[in-house]
Amino acid sequence: EIMLTQSPATLSLSPGERATLSCRASESVGRYLGWYQQKPGQAPRLLIYDASNRATGIPARFSGSGSGTDFTLTISSLEPEDFAVYYCQQRRYWWTFGQGTKVEIK
Amino acid sequence: EVQLVESGGGLVKPGGSLRLSCAASGFTLRNVWMTWVRQAPGKGLEWVGRIKSESEGGTIDYAAPVKGRFTISRDDSKNTLYLQMDSLKTDDTGVYYCTMVPAIAGPGGWFDPWGQGTLVTVSS
Repeated sequence: EIMLTQSPATLSLSPGERATLSCRASESVGRYLGWYQQKPGQAPRLLIYDASNRATGIPARFSGSGSGTDFTLTISSLEPEDFAVYYCQQRRYWWTFGQGTKVEIK
Repeated sequence: EVQLVESGGGLVKPGGSLRLSCAASGFTLRNVWMTWVRQAPGKGLEWVGRIKSESEGGTIDYAAPVKGRFTISRDDSKNTLYLQMDSLKTDDTGVYYCTMVPAIAGPGGWFDPWGQGTLVTVSS
């Protein structure tokens, strides 16, 4: 099973700041890495797929990068609605998720 | 508009059974891959199982923790996906989501969109 490790567990930032979230895979997943956003009481929503492609309707402030084992999700300037939990996921071999990074208001 | 609506969750005793439904609208269920994903209270996401499209043989695969206990099926006349859960354990407690897996080059696919989820509680 491919393990995904996200860091940090919690990110405390203010609106307008830049958020940088990391996801590391236990073995190479190529570019088969995606990111999801989940707000309290809601289902997850796909943000980024195949490392750097924004899903339909996702604002340009969200960007993804990386390949192999190291990936990054960047939110260039946090909006109030961006405070949520973010999960990475790989599709290289079946599907596994990271444990999540909570982006909270500082 | 593509929409997924789960139902059927509830409280069940360990060893019991439950059947979840996922009613799809805005697309034809048999033409796409679908998955079930679960989330234990306060925890992360876990893939449960996947059914391929009819054109790809409708192959079904399960994650190790549920293999042999859970069964995915589809009723094309109702455009509805099901998850039959037997021999339930307390560890199966959580919110269960159905998701669509749009076709894309390469292995597997991405989960988009998701239903709102249905809560399953396994407790004595």
